[in-house]
Amino acid sequence: TQLLEQSPQFLSIQEGENLTVYCNSSSVFSSLQWYRQEPGEGPVLLVTVVTGGEVKKLKRLTFQFGDARKDSSLHITAAQPGDTGLYLCAGASDYKLSFGAGTTVTVRA
Amino acid sequence: DTGVSQDPRHKITKRGQNVTFRCDPISEHNRLYWYRQTLGQGPEFLTYFQNEAQLEKSRLLSDRFSAERPKGSFSTLEIQRTEQGDSAMYLCASSLIPGAMDTGELFFGEGSRLTVL
Repeated sequence: TQLLEQSPQFLSIQEGENLTVYCNSSSVFSSLQWYRQEPGEGPVLLVTVVTGGEVKKLKRLTFQFGDARKDSSLHITAAQPGDTGLYLCAGASDYKLSFGAGTTVTVRA
Repeated sequence: DTGVSQDPRHKITKRGQNVTFRCDPISEHNRLYWYRQTLGQGPEFLTYFQNEAQLEKSRLLSDRFSAERPKGSFSTLEIQRTEQGDSAMYLCASSLIPGAMDTGELFFGEGSRLTVL
């Protein structure tokens, strides 16, 4: 059972469209991280959010941490085929990360 | 910095055989984690080391599983008497955590994919 619930499980959009991925939990985390994973590879860190209510922007990606530090969202503007991948959120607690099941994003050219 | 390396990348074995995976973390990283990932799921925590000390083991880690990090550098994960349910990607990650900080960025290897026939 995953501590973090991600939605949607799958997302397929056309190049240029926007998308949002959600990550929810009943647990409070000291920080929350977003990773992207491509087939046959390990996850790669995109961002870490620490403060409740925090918003971080990385180019076309916007990450938000909920005020209660239990949930987060990832928004991609003007998605590109290179954004295709498995997006994982992970909550930090007790010196380890607990991952959600991931959202598989496919951006069609 | 050569990144986290794992060996072998792929392992096919018959049920009942033993397998061992090796992980070489990023040099000087003090924490080393093992995760397991099955299709359609996110990585699940198995165990972690702070230097050579194994500090936590998940209940997913049955007595057929053992992990070591003898000199605080590379680590091995051994599975004895493999079962078909052990088929998964085994991911190793390392991080450099100063002091009592909870956790930081995990640098993952490419994983070792195990198939048990």
